[in-house]
Amino acid sequence: GEDVEQSLFLSVREGDSSVINCTYTDSSSTYLYWYKQEPGAGLQLLTYIFSNMDMKQDQRLTVLLNKKDKHLSLRIADTQTGDSAIYFCAESITGNQFYFGTGTSLTVIP
Amino acid sequence: NAGVTQTPKFQVLKTGQSMTLQCAQDMNHNSMYWYRQDPGMGLRLIYYSASEGTTDKGEVPNGYNVSRLNKREFSLRLESAAPSQTSVYFCASSPREQGGSYEQYFGPGTRLTVT
Repeated sequence: GEDVEQSLFLSVREGDSSVINCTYTDSSSTYLYWYKQEPGAGLQLLTYIFSNMDMKQDQRLTVLLNKKDKHLSLRIADTQTGDSAIYFCAESITGNQFYFGTGTSLTVIP
Repeated sequence: NAGVTQTPKFQVLKTGQSMTLQCAQDMNHNSMYWYRQDPGMGLRLIYYSASEGTTDKGEVPNGYNVSRLNKREFSLRLESAAPSQTSVYFCASSPREQGGSYEQYFGPGTRLTVT
């Protein structure tokens, strides 16, 4: 399968910005996604970006894509305690097979 | 509109027992998926069904079978459970419209322990 890598943990103070990073290996990836998982729950789609885009902004979320370096990042502005969760990046080439990273556990300190 | 539902929520099996995990979606989505989530490994695709009547293997299909019963339902069967199949299982669906983003909607998961 494809390798999608993320750092395991991130800790930020409430009100600061969080940046969660992801690297992927397949340059053919067409779709790249960010999902959020709260304890005991399934994954919830936060946002996605097509490979022909460099950036996408959606309220407090900003996604940056660097295709040359195969690097994807998710920035959360004004991080709140409710943002504490595990964040997964995922890639797909065809829309059939999806490859997920190991997840980054975000802890927001009040 | 319940979204994606999964039953059961929890299950304990003995090695060698069989069981079927059920998944249903009420969003009229074309595609459905089964994943397993293990600590430190993210989600791995077991099987998927791109449309009613079709199923295909994902990254880790060994030890599992699936049935796309109709457009709404996609079941995952363990014929002879092994401790290595202890995991959290997620079902997902996607509208998979041509030119769309293929985003997935996930169920709440089934926590399976095989002793």
